[in-house]
Amino acid sequence: QVQLQQWGAGLLKPSETLSLTCAVNGGSLSGYYWGWIRQPPGKGLEWIGEINHSGSTNYSPSLKSRVTVLVDMSKSQFSLKLTSVTAADTAVYYCVRGPPVGGDQNWFDPWAQGTLVTVSS
Amino acid sequence: DIQMTQSPSSLSASVGDRVTITCRASQRIIDYLNWYQQKPGKAPKLLIYGASSLQGGVPSRFSGSGSGTDFTLTISSLQPEDFATYYCQQSYSTPRTFGQGTKVEMK
Repeated sequence: QVQLQQWGAGLLKPSETLSLTCAVNGGSLSGYYWGWIRQPPGKGLEWIGEINHSGSTNYSPSLKSRVTVLVDMSKSQFSLKLTSVTAADTAVYYCVRGPPVGGDQNWFDPWAQGTLVTVSS
Repeated sequence: DIQMTQSPSSLSASVGDRVTITCRASQRIIDYLNWYQQKPGKAPKLLIYGASSLQGGVPSRFSGSGSGTDFTLTISSLQPEDFATYYCQQSYSTPRTFGQGTKVEMK
């Protein structure tokens, strides 16, 4: 059964770059998209973007200019970078397994435990 | 972008009640609709995919229905562990979007 474990810095200053990594345990990166979703404190869920094993990406239009999602097949990991962060980027960030490549129905499952990233001067 | 609107935003109910949450998409999404449950401090958990298919391990008191633009999540008999926030999510197209959430609270 696939499990995800994520890590990264939890406190950033404005204008710094957010960097998170997610490890895929118990399964292969192949055949699926792997993505990131965030949730500001007390608010709803926002999809950030996703990548598949060959490096094909999809990003949220509202974040596209600042987001990069990368995959490292050798380590079974994928990562998120978000540049020029502000207080508005303060949120819990989750890594997830997303749609199957070339599949029809799709959903987010499983989810990692989440990382609270706070942006404050 | 496809906008997802849930109603109500919150509701109060008692153990044993039948609870219904609705989700409306801003355009037709056929049956590309998922439901998640989130408890405080935890990651969301997939309940239903494809509008009506129950994820493995999810109790049968949860059910989903609908197609096109209007969808429903029903809890047939609310249990203590069901007090949580529920989100719908469209999987028809990117960007993948969520409803704003419905918080189910104890009456």
